[in-house]
Amino acid sequence: DAKTTQPTSMDCAEGRAANLPCNHSTISGNEYVYWYRQIHSQGPQYIIHGLKNNETNEMASLIITEDRKSSTLILPHATLRDTAVYYCIVRRSGGSNYKLTFGKGTLLTVNP
Amino acid sequence: EAQVTQNPRYLITVTGKKLTVTCSQNMNHEYMSWYRQDPGLGLRQIYYSMNVEVTDKGDVPEGYKVSRKEKRNFPLILESPSPNQTSLYFCASSGGSGRGVQNFGAGTRLSVL
Repeated sequence: DAKTTQPTSMDCAEGRAANLPCNHSTISGNEYVYWYRQIHSQGPQYIIHGLKNNETNEMASLIITEDRKSSTLILPHATLRDTAVYYCIVRRSGGSNYKLTFGKGTLLTVNP
Repeated sequence: EAQVTQNPRYLITVTGKKLTVTCSQNMNHEYMSWYRQDPGLGLRQIYYSMNVEVTDKGDVPEGYKVSRKEKRNFPLILESPSPNQTSLYFCASSGGSGRGVQNFGAGTRLSVL
């Protein structure tokens, strides 16, 4: 699975959009981009995933660049409860083990 | 409500005393997995199971056992716990259609003295 690079930490004001970047320059054609978050020692929570098209759900939007070498997770109106570590994970669609490889992620702090 | 349930949530035990951490899911998922999370090391996979009676080692299986006798349950067994198994443990499950989309339990914080 491709390696990802994320900033260590980011701050965001409550009510503003939080834009979390992820670099995955070695991504291959059959690899998806997944985003999870972990709120202080709770279980990781799935947010969104995509292959090449932009995706949106009730939690967030995912923007993937045309060359697929990077992506951005957007939380449109961040709240204090969105303070968490956000993980960008790249993994292929197949395989016999659905293992997720979590890196260090980005600690997003939403400030009042 | 779709969920992965782990028990206990917190456990303090002593070296060598066998323990079992239970994991149950109510989504009829084929795939289940155990991770441990340690500061500076992130989440690492211990064991996984593709279906009933099908289990395999992850990245850090030493000192752990698992079983998958029923689809919904995937217990993690520590036959002789040691202090280096003090960690935060998570169980996860996934259905066949969304392999990277996984549901995680709330975690079990284990301390081995």
